[in-house]
Parts: sequence; C-alpha cells; structure tokens
Amino acid sequence: GAGVSQSPSNKVTEKGKDVELRCDPISGHTALYWYRQSLGQGLEFLIYFQGNSAPDKSGLPSDRFSAERTGGSVSTLTIQRTQQEDSAVYLCASSLFLAIEQFFGPGTRLTVL
Amino acid sequence: RKEVEQDPGPFNVPEGATVAFNCTYSNSASQSFFWYRQDCRKEPKLLMSVYSSGNEDGRFTAQLNRASQYISLLIRDSKLSDSATYLCVVNRTSGTYKYIFGTGTRLKVLA
Repeated sequence: GAGVSQSPSNKVTEKGKDVELRCDPISGHTALYWYRQSLGQGLEFLIYFQGNSAPDKSGLPSDRFSAERTGGSVSTLTIQRTQQEDSAVYLCASSLFLAIEQFFGPGTRLTVL
Repeated sequence: RKEVEQDPGPFNVPEGATVAFNCTYSNSASQSFFWYRQDCRKEPKLLMSVYSSGNEDGRFTAQLNRASQYISLLIRDSKLSDSATYLCVVNRTSGTYKYIFGTGTRLKVLA
C-alpha cells in the first residue's frame, strides 16, 4: 500500500518568504507527526496531531511555525518569514494510533538562502 | 542530560560480527520503545518495536530493562547492508504524547 508522502521533496526559498510543506499520511492513520532534522543532527519533534487536533504545540520553534490537519488526513506545516536557520529536512510520520510504531515520509529538504 | 542517550559511535565491525548497541532513557513515564535505522540522507525506517519480554526478528534482538531504563539492540552475523545509523526512540505520555529520538549510533560493517 501507499506510504507517507510529502511534497515538495525539495524547496529553495529566499529569507523572509513563507513556505508550506505538505504531508499525506498512510490512509487510516489517526496520528500524524512533524519533525525536523538539521544536517548531521538528530530528529527534533515539532508537533503531533490526533485526528485534526494538535494537543501539544510546544515543540514548534517559534510563532513563525504553524501546522494544521484537515479531514483527519492531509497536514500542512507553514513557516512564515523563513530564516536561514530554518534550513533542514522536515519529516512527517504517521501511525495508526498514538504511542505505536510511526512510519516516515521521505521528507522535504528546505533551503533558505 | 539528554532524555534519550546513545553512544554515537562509529562502530566499525567486520562482516559476520555480532554488535550490540545500548540506549538509556531518563523519563520513567516512557511507555513504548523502538529501534529505527536511518541511511544517509534518507528517512528513518522502523526496525523493530521493543517489548518488555524482549523480541527477536531474524538476526536482530531487542531487549528492554525498565528497572535500569535502557534498551538494547543486538545484531548477529552483520552484513554490509546493516551499515546505517540506528536510532533509539522512546515514547512517553505525560499529559501529551511525545516521541523522543536519540541522536543515533553509526554502524559501519566492513568487508
């Protein structure tokens, strides 16, 4: 079956522009997660959704970051007024329920010039 | 101190060797545990969940020690294709759910 998909796979933007990253989870998965990984670093948890609701937004690095999920499926992560330190790979994962195995998408590589 | 700690390695081992990785976690509210592998510039892929009784999948054995708060991964008969970074992942539920990833242990299997 189809796995988690993310788009775009690569995004190059200029400092100060807004970007929107998309994640399509595995069909039927109720939980969805966003992470980012900077070069040579570990995964940094950003936010998770249970259905359309995000109970914990404390992992978002700043108020320039926001995320939403609609219809219990697709999620978008929006970064406003991008900064160079936002450059990273943004990974999305989904799981059937919370607290069990997650499956990752291929990520979006964001480069802010 | 990080909530999930792993030896970064690298572990360089010959083909056919047995290698073991440990991972310690500090939050006793941790509930579920996993090992993922990550190849260079790729997304993490689930290797196995870790159960209290220990579990085995082919050449891979995972164990959990709740009293000492560590999990381990044993790889027997290492293959070249096992070369990757192995990530220890802990899920805790303290009001909300959070998956905490270790920074990974690099394994290089040498011919």
